[in-house]
Amino acid sequence: DQQVKQNSPSLSVQEGRISILNCDYTNSMFDYFLWYKKYPAEGPTFLISISSIKDKNEDGRFTVFLNKSAKHLSLHIVPSQPGDSAVYFCAASARNYGQNFVFGPGTRLSVLP
Amino acid sequence: DVKVTQSSRYLVKRTGEKVFLECVQDMDHENMFWYRQDPGLGLRLIYFSYDVKMKEKGDIPEGYSVSREKKERFSLILESASTNQTSMYLCASSFRLSNQPQHFGDGTRLSIL
Repeated sequence: DQQVKQNSPSLSVQEGRISILNCDYTNSMFDYFLWYKKYPAEGPTFLISISSIKDKNEDGRFTVFLNKSAKHLSLHIVPSQPGDSAVYFCAASARNYGQNFVFGPGTRLSVLP
Repeated sequence: DVKVTQSSRYLVKRTGEKVFLECVQDMDHENMFWYRQDPGLGLRLIYFSYDVKMKEKGDIPEGYSVSREKKERFSLILESASTNQTSMYLCASSFRLSNQPQHFGDGTRLSIL
């Protein structure tokens, strides 16, 4: 049973528009969440994180929103650029899980020029 | 900048061979991890280590073992390679403090024939 779900395997967005990537989790003990971006033939790169004491974290064009009651987080990219085309992984951890993360299956984002 | 280096980008081995995947990090991280990435399944944790000589099983340890003789180096061993171990293997490292992102290498694409 997947504890971290990304229900959209792929997403296409026009350049300049907003990209919204979604992630749902089942374990209420998760208290730290991250987004990673992965290009083909490269390792995942850390993008942005959020702690459960917050409901929003922003870094430039990237904003992560956390809705604890719904066990849902989302990554917003505004404006989207062709270089954002990649696979995005959501990951979660809990204090009693040590420093281990549980990763979602990923969403492939294509930003069309 | 954190550097996690995996010894091979591509590797082709035969069924039954013993396979070694090497990973080195240069940031004095205490934690090191081995994942495999398969389409639709995201990143799954094979083994991890919080310190030299220490190792812990992840979610899918069967058919694998690890070695951590030095802090900067974490090796993944396929004792007798099988075709279902064909995958992308990713090494990661992080500080021991909680809420720290993991930093990944570029991966080894392993094919078992």
